[in-house]
Amino acid sequence: RKEVEQDPGPFNVPEGATVAFNCTYSNSASQSFFWYRQDCRKEPKLLMSVYSSGNEDGRFTAQLNRASQYISLLIRDSKLSDSATYLCVVSFRRSSASKIIFGSGTRLSIRP
Amino acid sequence: NAGVTQTPKFQVLKTGQSMTLQCAQDMNHEYMSWYRQDPGMGLRLIHYSVGAGITDQGEVPNGYNVSRSTTEDFPLRLLSAAPSQTSVYFCASSFELAGGPGEQFFGPGTRLTVL
Repeated sequence: RKEVEQDPGPFNVPEGATVAFNCTYSNSASQSFFWYRQDCRKEPKLLMSVYSSGNEDGRFTAQLNRASQYISLLIRDSKLSDSATYLCVVSFRRSSASKIIFGSGTRLSIRP
Repeated sequence: NAGVTQTPKFQVLKTGQSMTLQCAQDMNHEYMSWYRQDPGMGLRLIHYSVGAGITDQGEVPNGYNVSRSTTEDFPLRLLSAAPSQTSVYFCASSFELAGGPGEQFFGPGTRLTVL
């Protein structure tokens, strides 16, 4: 089982739609959670960190459910420019080793 | 701040050649890592380091060596290039927090082709 699992998509939705992605992680010791965005052939960039209480940044809302070990990202009123791959990221420290694990990504395509 | 820099941006090698991909950061980050990304695939961790003098293997370390003699630099060496190593290589860095690595800052990538 992968340590971080995401639905690869692609999600193809019309402009203005609301779309949600889920991500599950296997290590219950995970401490920090992030969503990254990656455009084609570019480096990943931080979209938002995910906090225990959930957090919102404009049209984007991230939620964390520690009991069920999943993270979600909700995009409201989607724009053409939201088309990208969204990466779920989990960070933890295990004994003396610390690690950050990237999911394989969910592809999102917004159509006019 | 320049952030995370990588050189070269593009490289073509012949099978069997060796080379070093350079990565440097000026943010005093403890954690640095190398990933490869094949077309249409996710990031795969090659090697990482939690501080100068400390390195560890990631998911796909075979064929690659790293060293971390300074906080700033984390070069990746390809020992004997193979066509299977054709990929885009990203270097990333972050602070090391109590619960593990924090927000990752990525370099622009090196696009490597092995013929």
